[in-house]
Amino acid sequence: NAGVTQTPKFRILKIGQSMTLQCAQDMNHNYMYWYRQDPGMGLKLIYYSVGAGITDKGEVPNGYNVSRSTTEDFPLRLELAAPSQTSVYFCASIDRVNSPLHFGNGTRLTVT
Amino acid sequence: AQTVTQSQPEMSVQEAETVTLSCTYDTSESDYYLFWYKQPPSRQMILVIRQEAYKQQNATENRFSVNFQKAAKSFSLKISDSQLGDAAMYFCAYRLGGGGADGLTFGKGTHLIIQP
Repeated sequence: NAGVTQTPKFRILKIGQSMTLQCAQDMNHNYMYWYRQDPGMGLKLIYYSVGAGITDKGEVPNGYNVSRSTTEDFPLRLELAAPSQTSVYFCASIDRVNSPLHFGNGTRLTVT
Repeated sequence: AQTVTQSQPEMSVQEAETVTLSCTYDTSESDYYLFWYKQPPSRQMILVIRQEAYKQQNATENRFSVNFQKAAKSFSLKISDSQLGDAAMYFCAYRLGGGGADGLTFGKGTHLIIQP
């Protein structure tokens, strides 16, 4: 099993550009999450989804959008990149709400 | 909102020694879960150990064990016989129980250095 796959691994964006961070899981998990990790900090929740067609905001949703058209995919969209969005982004999934998270390997994004 | 505090930004231990990483959390709930995650330089997030709040017995996984003090809202991680491969960032995390889909709340992490 591939688990949770994130692409790309690295990306450099210019201020104002847009991009989509891809996340796919092959475990048929209903619950999926996007986190960001700033240097020297823990992870903060951006958005989450409890199933296809359902998404909800986390702690730091401003500047991001998500969609969940299928169980497998949960892309994160940055519309107008800002230097404050420089971070490492992690996608994660679980099958039951009380299970440990399965994490992807992260995407390192730099906005200059 | 729940908060998780790791008061040790960095810890250092000699190889083969024992080290304890501290974590405290703030919640008014009685049903919740606590986790320790390890993040090596590869940045992969690896689950180390998990504790259900309703269980009085402290969780143990090989060389890793926790000291869960529910009344004190404390959840420390003990690593015995430290190995070079244990060097990493360690994050304490909290999740509310009861079937809610909210994600984990993380502490800021402790950087563990293993001295050979």
